[in-house]
Amino acid sequence: EDKVVQSPLSLVVHEGDTVTLNCSYEVTNFRSLLWYKQEKKAPTFLFMLTSSGIEKKSGRLSSILDKKELSSILNITATQTGDSAIYLCAVDDLNQGGKLIFGQGTELSVKP
Amino acid sequence: GAVVSQHPSRVICKSGTSVKIECRSLDFQATTMFWYRQFPKKSLMLMATSNEGSKATYEQGVEKDKFLINHASLTLSTLTVTSAHPEDSSFYICSASKWVAGGYEQYFGPGTRLTVT
Repeated sequence: EDKVVQSPLSLVVHEGDTVTLNCSYEVTNFRSLLWYKQEKKAPTFLFMLTSSGIEKKSGRLSSILDKKELSSILNITATQTGDSAIYLCAVDDLNQGGKLIFGQGTELSVKP
Repeated sequence: GAVVSQHPSRVICKSGTSVKIECRSLDFQATTMFWYRQFPKKSLMLMATSNEGSKATYEQGVEKDKFLINHASLTLSTLTVTSAHPEDSSFYICSASKWVAGGYEQYFGPGTRLTVT
């Protein structure tokens, strides 16, 4: 059965810290891995990763995929209170007709 | 990126009535859209996959006669909650898939908060 596991489940840091969120997966026929940020409303898209070793970057956020290790990390540098959110990792399995398999999420809290 | 809208953002209805929620992809065509519901402090729960021009595919345990889905065009899918009951109160979120070299990026609408009294 397809599975996506995120760690840690929750994390509290102070402004300015750097955080690394982890996502590991087991899927039959991997196509891509996606990261989302969810605050009070619906998730907002951050990154889609399809190839190993190629870092995607957007401002203070970056992410990389390791297909050998079946995992991805999301890094946030110089965290701000506005980064407080639930970060969701999801995997697109070719056999699932486009449905995403979501991890449980990591709840990040950034204290001033 | 891409923009997906949902309407209404918030609705309160009486038990026994039906409510329709619209999901639109504003700047791209989406062959496939998805409907989720989310309970407080819980992850997203996929309800159904909606393909343009064909019947929706429902996840196990989701009543297709209660949650009617129509995907009449490449930019619009609707979810109708029929004969709503208080236990249907939830946050309903749609998403739309956009093909970007190598895979599908899935973009979420802002969600609809349904309260059934």
